Amino acid sequence: EAGVVQSPRYKIIEKKQPVAFWCNPISGHNTLYWYRQNLGQGPELLIRYENEEAVDDSQLPKDRFSAERLKGVDSTLKIQPAELGDSAVYLCASSLFGTSGNEQFFGPGTRLTVL
Amino acid sequence: GENVEQHPSTLSVQEGDSAVIKCTYSDSASNYFPWYKQELGKRPQLIIDIRSNVGEKKDQRIAVTLNKTAKHFSLHITETQPEDSAVYFCAASRPGNNDMRFGAGTRLTVKP
Repeated sequence: EAGVVQSPRYKIIEKKQPVAFWCNPISGHNTLYWYRQNLGQGPELLIRYENEEAVDDSQLPKDRFSAERLKGVDSTLKIQPAELGDSAVYLCASSLFGTSGNEQFFGPGTRLTVL
Repeated sequence: GENVEQHPSTLSVQEGDSAVIKCTYSDSASNYFPWYKQELGKRPQLIIDIRSNVGEKKDQRIAVTLNKTAKHFSLHITETQPEDSAVYFCAASRPGNNDMRFGAGTRLTVKP
């Protein structure tokens, strides 16, 4: 079984440029997460989807960040315009929805460097 | 919302010694507590998890204990090996809610 797939793995852009990240979750997983991980810190949730619905986007900086999961499968996270402080690893994860907590499977992440 | 605190931030042990990492959580409704291991440049991977209906779980050299009353849980690694060196994250989530909050991580170094 394929794991969570993310692309690109690395991205270097100049500030004020747009950037997009793509994630394909494990087949059959209805819940998808985007996290941001700064160096030396734990993952911080940006947005959580259950199928195509964004059920928690309270931590997403909506002035510059946007996300979509139109068909409830793969997802795209966009930043426009990027700022220096956006440099981080962006992790995508997926899980099966359940009532008592479920293992999240992480993708390899996209390392973003904003110059 | 849930707040997870993790200690220590760094831990160095000699090969063969035990390592203990502790986490506290704030939401008494949380009932799922996973531990993830993240090697340098790689994705976090689940190593063990515990649900609130049990107090301890073991898997070979790794064990997790949970104290619901005190709202803390701990990761225990015995007979540490150099390949255990990594960053370990604890997390907590509530039932029916896949929102998981992570601790800040503990960098474990096992010296040969």
